[in-house]
Amino acid sequence: KAGVTQTPRYLIKTRGQQVTLSCSPISGHRSVSWYQQTPGQGLQFLFEYFSETQRNKGNFPGRFSGRQFSNSRSEMNVSTLELGDSALYLCASSLRTSGQYNEQFFGPGTRLTVL
Amino acid sequence: AQRVTQPEKLLSVFKGAPVELKCNYSYSGSPELFWYVQYSRQRLQLLLRHISRESIKGFTADLNKGETSFHLKKPFAQEEDSAMYYCAPGDSSYKLIFGSGTRLLVRP
Repeated sequence: KAGVTQTPRYLIKTRGQQVTLSCSPISGHRSVSWYQQTPGQGLQFLFEYFSETQRNKGNFPGRFSGRQFSNSRSEMNVSTLELGDSALYLCASSLRTSGQYNEQFFGPGTRLTVL
Repeated sequence: AQRVTQPEKLLSVFKGAPVELKCNYSYSGSPELFWYVQYSRQRLQLLLRHISRESIKGFTADLNKGETSFHLKKPFAQEEDSAMYYCAPGDSSYKLIFGSGTRLLVRP
């Protein structure tokens, strides 16, 4: 079974631009979560999507948004990029079976550099 | 506020020595507790979860609800255990709160 894939793997943008990152979950997984990883703040939860609906959201500004498609693939978008948005963005997928916690499987990440 | 503290940024031990990676958490409700590991050039992956009460790769984790701690232990460290370890409570919301991580370095 193929793992979680993220594209692109590396991105370089300039301040003020916007960016879209993509995540393809493991086949059959319907939940996709996004995390930001930086040396200063560590791993921080951005949001989670399940059945094309945002179920949970972390403490990030509205410039960070996402969506999920009917095939469970997810995209996250960051508008008006700031230098501080430079980070590794990880997505994780899960079965999300009702009534129990299912393991989250992480992708390799997209490294975003904002100049 | 939900918070996870891993007090050691770096833990360096010799091969065969016991290892204990500390984790203290502050979390409303009754979270499930997890340890995630990231080996060099590999993805973040689940090492073990409290509810399963398993020993994975020789590691165990003891949940102490009174002290709100979930320390990870291994009696005899191996060089291949060198990695970054993250403690993370979570719940059915699928929102994991990660600690800052501890880098374990096992020297030959």
